[in-house]
Amino acid sequence: GAGVSQSPSNKVTEKGKDVELRCDPISGHTALYWYRQRLGQGLEFLIYFQGNSAPDKSGLPSDRFSAERTGESVSTLTIQRTQQEDSAVYLCASSLWAGSYEQYFGPGTRLTVT
Amino acid sequence: QQQVKQSPQSLIVQKGGISIINCAYENTAFDYFPWYQQFPGKGPALLIAIRPDVSEKKEGRFTISFNKSAKQFSLHIMDSQPGDSATYFCAASNSGNKLVFGAGTILRVKS
Repeated sequence: GAGVSQSPSNKVTEKGKDVELRCDPISGHTALYWYRQRLGQGLEFLIYFQGNSAPDKSGLPSDRFSAERTGESVSTLTIQRTQQEDSAVYLCASSLWAGSYEQYFGPGTRLTVT
Repeated sequence: QQQVKQSPQSLIVQKGGISIINCAYENTAFDYFPWYQQFPGKGPALLIAIRPDVSEKKEGRFTISFNKSAKQFSLHIMDSQPGDSATYFCAASNSGNKLVFGAGTILRVKS
């Protein structure tokens, strides 16, 4: 079956603009996760969803970052008033349910803030 | 306490050799330890994972060794091949929810 998909694959935006990143999880997976990967570094957890609710938002760096999930499927990560330090690859993963441990990642969205 | 420390940062191995990557953790509540493989421009792919109730898990050429008392775990790649050249990340979780990742190891296998 299809894996996790993300769009766009690349996004270049000007400092101060808002951006929306989209994630489509594997069909049937109820848990969805967002991570950020800065150049040459490991992945940092941002937020996860079980169904449409977000029990853990502890990794969101600031109130400029928000995420939502609707219909227990697609999720959108929104970054408002982008800053240069937001430049990174944003990765989405999904799993059967929160607590089922095995997470499967999408290809990521490379965000460049100029 | 949430950190996972990974070493080395980079590794060069001859084809056919053994690649060894190490990770250490502090949080004794961690109960799941996966390894991910990432190729340039791709998302990380789950390679192999272990729970703390076993000391070793083997899948093909990939083996995880786990030392609970030392709070360390390692990935061994036997008979390393040029196609194994990638970045490898260890990670840990204590709830099956968020993963805490190491900083990554860039592996290059020379043919």
